[in-house]
Amino acid sequence: RKEVEQDPGPFNVPEGATVAFNCTYSNSASQSFFWYRQDCRKEPKLLMSVYSSGNEDGRFTAQLNRASQYISLLIRDSKLSDSATYLCVVNGEGGGNKLTFGTGTQLKVEL
Amino acid sequence: DAGVTQSPTHLIKTRGQHVTLRCSPISGHKSVSWYQQVLGQGPQFIFQYYEKEERGRGNFPDRFSARQFPNYSSELNVNALLLGDSALYLCASSVGLAESYEQYFGPGTRLTVT
Repeated sequence: RKEVEQDPGPFNVPEGATVAFNCTYSNSASQSFFWYRQDCRKEPKLLMSVYSSGNEDGRFTAQLNRASQYISLLIRDSKLSDSATYLCVVNGEGGGNKLTFGTGTQLKVEL
Repeated sequence: DAGVTQSPTHLIKTRGQHVTLRCSPISGHKSVSWYQQVLGQGPQFIFQYYEKEERGRGNFPDRFSARQFPNYSSELNVNALLLGDSALYLCASSVGLAESYEQYFGPGTRLTVT
């Protein structure tokens, strides 16, 4: 089983749609969770940290379910500029400040 | 403020050669980590350095080595290059070692081995 699993997509959605990405992780001892965004041939950019109580940043909402080892990202009112690959990231796999990435979910927002 | 910087941006090498990649962290950040990203995959952890000491190592062969300098910049060295080493090499910096510290990535060095 992969340490961090994501549906690779692609998710093709119309502008203005709401889209949700899910991710599962295997190590129950993991402590910190993040979503990164990566544009084609660019570096990953931190989108948001994910907290146990859930957190929101504008159109983006992240949720964590430790019991199910499940992380989600909700994007409301999708923009063309949201088109990218979204990487689910877990820290603390095996201890320490080592990030473990999923393979990413590709999002394409269309007119 | 400047973000994480890496050099060179692109590199083409031949099998068997050696390569050195460089990274400067965000000012005030003391930890540098290296990741390898092959096409279609998420980045894979190679090394983490903090205060010039190795604090973590991923599942990579001994051909891969790194070091961190007193100014917190870092080098990644790869010996005896293989075709499979072709990838985007990413450097990330963070304030320290705690798991909750966010890591910020540089633009990467795209290495092609022919």
